[in-house]
Amino acid sequence: LAKTTQPISMDSYEGQEVNITCSHNNIATNDYITWYQQFPSQGPRFIIQGYKTKVTNEVASLFIPADRKSSTLSLPRVSLSDTAVYYCLVGIFTGGSQGNLIFGKGTKLSVKP
Amino acid sequence: KAGVTQTPRYLIKTRGQQVTLSCSPISGHRSVSWYQQTPGQGLQFLFEYFSETQRNKGNFPGRFSGRQFSNSRSEMNVSTLELGDSALYLCASSLTGITEAFFGQGTRLTVV
Repeated sequence: LAKTTQPISMDSYEGQEVNITCSHNNIATNDYITWYQQFPSQGPRFIIQGYKTKVTNEVASLFIPADRKSSTLSLPRVSLSDTAVYYCLVGIFTGGSQGNLIFGKGTKLSVKP
Repeated sequence: KAGVTQTPRYLIKTRGQQVTLSCSPISGHRSVSWYQQTPGQGLQFLFEYFSETQRNKGNFPGRFSGRQFSNSRSEMNVSTLELGDSALYLCASSLTGITEAFFGQGTRLTVV
């Protein structure tokens, strides 16, 4: 099973770009990489998902190198409302009995004015 | 459209008791998965159901079980509660698989 490692915390200022990297050794061929955002007392919210190279949506970009052993979530021009915990998730359910999902411990991002 | 609904939001139980948590997925979503979140262990996957069948299971003891009904609603049961089962239990639904999943607000279970 892929094990994920991400920084425990990060600080940033409003308007800056924030990059959070997740290491996922032993990622399997079928595994996708997904990032979630979580605010206190709420369930995680889907941000972005990718398999390889680069994916971009209206809120973030996800960079995945060729070996797929790491991924970087990029948040452009963060605001105070981006203060949250960000989770890296590796895995996917293919219908097999050995499927599992591994969440990182989460990165607590604090955005300061 | 309505999001994922979990009931109850808060629950206090005594050691040794059992508990059942409920999750109503987004309409049309057939996959429902469950997670345990604690300060020490973070988010841990419990199991996933798809079309009433448990498709995958995480590394939790058999005291943790679940089921899914024909309308995709799901229940999770924990028997013989232990103090360490105190946690936020989250449910998520998705169309086909859990990686693009929408989470509920969770049920906060406290075992005393």
